[in-house]
Amino acid sequence: ETGVTQSPTHLIKTRGQQVTLRCSSQSGHNTVSWYQQALGQGPQFIFQYYREEENGRGNFPPRFSGLQFPNYSSELNVNALELDDSALYLCASRTIAGGETQYFGPGTRLLVL
Amino acid sequence: AQSVTQLDSHVSVSEGTPVLLRCNYSSSYSPSLFWYVQHPNKGLQLLLKYTSAATLVKGINGFEAEFKKSETSFHLTKPSAHMSDAAEYFCVVSDNSNYQLIWGAGTKLIIKP
Repeated sequence: ETGVTQSPTHLIKTRGQQVTLRCSSQSGHNTVSWYQQALGQGPQFIFQYYREEENGRGNFPPRFSGLQFPNYSSELNVNALELDDSALYLCASRTIAGGETQYFGPGTRLLVL
Repeated sequence: AQSVTQLDSHVSVSEGTPVLLRCNYSSSYSPSLFWYVQHPNKGLQLLLKYTSAATLVKGINGFEAEFKKSETSFHLTKPSAHMSDAAEYFCVVSDNSNYQLIWGAGTKLIIKP
């Protein structure tokens, strides 16, 4: 177990709706990244937060947004859901001092109908 | 731009025989490289990482990988496969500027009894 938790574990939404996914980082970790993993593919980087500021973003549209809170927990928000947003969403945390090693949560599986 | 290519989408071996999962990378500078494993319905677990120290890296569960700069490869091996090794394996390169992880498409390891 990595100490990174995510909620909910599964979620079903319909096209056009909005969704919020939550992540609780491992204790002492001040950086969180979010990834989207479509079925049968590797994870794709969405964005990264450090000290409540976004400091890196992958090739995802603005309807994917996030927040990081003072306790380093984080949210991923997706507006105007599309069918292609169906995927496993993974959260990973690390410390800046710890370098590149990221610790992953179990993920939230989102199904958009 | 950095990229990762996992040369096999599926690898099938018999229990007790050696495992070889192949990975080639592209990077404009000395990269950090990782192997992660994903068991069904479980989170991603770090197997091992290379960060410009010894080129032969030992990881958990008997896995190891060798960094070969001349071949731009980072293949994962294990001398003797166990049924519990059946999982999806991802080769990953890190963007050293912001530690964004770039993932291969994954190799599914199947263990035959």
